[in-house]
Amino acid sequence: GAVVSQHPSRVICKSGTSVKIECRSLDFQATTMFWYRQFPKQSLMLMATSNEGSKATYEQGVEKDKFLINHASLTLSTLTVTSAHPEDSSFYICSAEGGALVTEAFFGQGTRLTVV
Amino acid sequence: QQQVKQSPQSLIVQKGGIPIINCAYENTAFDYFPWYQQFPGKGPALLIAIRPDVSEKKEGRFTISFNKSAKQFSLHIMDSQPGDSATYFCAARGAAGNKLTFGGGTRVLVKP
Repeated sequence: GAVVSQHPSRVICKSGTSVKIECRSLDFQATTMFWYRQFPKQSLMLMATSNEGSKATYEQGVEKDKFLINHASLTLSTLTVTSAHPEDSSFYICSAEGGALVTEAFFGQGTRLTVV
Repeated sequence: QQQVKQSPQSLIVQKGGIPIINCAYENTAFDYFPWYQQFPGKGPALLIAIRPDVSEKKEGRFTISFNKSAKQFSLHIMDSQPGDSATYFCAARGAAGNKLTFGGGTRVLVKP
């Protein structure tokens, strides 16, 4: 299957700082990328959908100014958690699809964010 | 209408047994039904997927059964192994590019 690389896999940051997570499609052009948040022993919760060159579409209840999503190229999307607080600590996962060529959703390895 | 209900939440089988996980959906616009396997601390990995025009699909030891009229689909893991111990998620989606709707997940433990 297609490869989606997410970086970093783990990050610890201080409360009040910002953290950027990268999601790259390595062997296909990702026309659509999705960002999820997952709490322990729970399912994936969709945060936002981003299409290359367009503004992200956020799910209800997700703060746009706190979770900044950029999808500037067909192989890279970034999620920036701004002014992080301990309650933002979670497992963040991206997925990517490549339009007509790659219709399945392939997931990154996930990023464990801990805010101290 | 957007929900996908998955059961059971967890199950334990002996090595060689056949864990069966069931999912039900309401939205008739869904036409793509993937299953994902997730190990602790890792992202979900696509296991197998089916579309409504077939009633069964097999890939290795994994089989999806699909019942369009009942709006249900299930995953069977044949000859299960301890290495299959993971959380399994069903999902559903309309056209490509639309968001996936996930089930709640099933934690499977295969005992040696």
